[in-house]
Amino acid sequence: DAKTTQPPSMDCAEGRAANLPCNHSTISGNEYVYWYRQIHSQGPQYIIHGLKNNETNEMASLIITEDRKSSTLILPHATLRDTAVYYCIVRGDYKLSFGAGTTVTVRA
Amino acid sequence: DTAVSQTPKYLVTQMGNDKSIKCEQNLGHDTMYWYKQDSKKFLKIMFSYNNKELIINETVPNRFSPKSPDKAHLNLHINSLELGDSAVYFCASSPRLAWDQETQYFGPGTRLLVL
Repeated sequence: DAKTTQPPSMDCAEGRAANLPCNHSTISGNEYVYWYRQIHSQGPQYIIHGLKNNETNEMASLIITEDRKSSTLILPHATLRDTAVYYCIVRGDYKLSFGAGTTVTVRA
Repeated sequence: DTAVSQTPKYLVTQMGNDKSIKCEQNLGHDTMYWYKQDSKKFLKIMFSYNNKELIINETVPNRFSPKSPDKAHLNLHINSLELGDSAVYFCASSPRLAWDQETQYFGPGTRLLVL
């Protein structure tokens, strides 16, 4: 019942921006887009979420297209510690349901 | 000063045994959750408690019984462990019952291996 599609993996150079795409073409009007990440052997960590507008916090930026069918998570200056699996989640209720995510490897 | 903590971190046991996993949060949150992450890394909710009351039970077998002695604790007891119960179990909490706007904070996970 996955509602999102993400590339399975991507590499990024340390210090560069990492742009992580997510497709959610069946998103409904009251559903939010959430991003979490999971560093190896740790629990999922909240990154950011949004409904319609672009959002920015100390960790990342979230760009949501006008039709809301896709979004991009931007890590502005990737570090080695950003190596993790990144999950894009569409959510309209209490449940968080994670798919396979994108494995991001930041290389020195 | 860990926000959401779980014990034990690792649990290896034989099929048929009964085991418990404990979770504590010091964030003052009202709502706590148990999630199961399988070998393919898919994470699915199992239970949710709000103010010590069971709110959500996502068709989990009766062998799994959560207990919340107070708002800060949510334990998971598993009877008659089966091979398929091997997974990573995550506890999480949120300020309130997490509808679309509430962020959930996760513990470090308990890695259960049933032999």
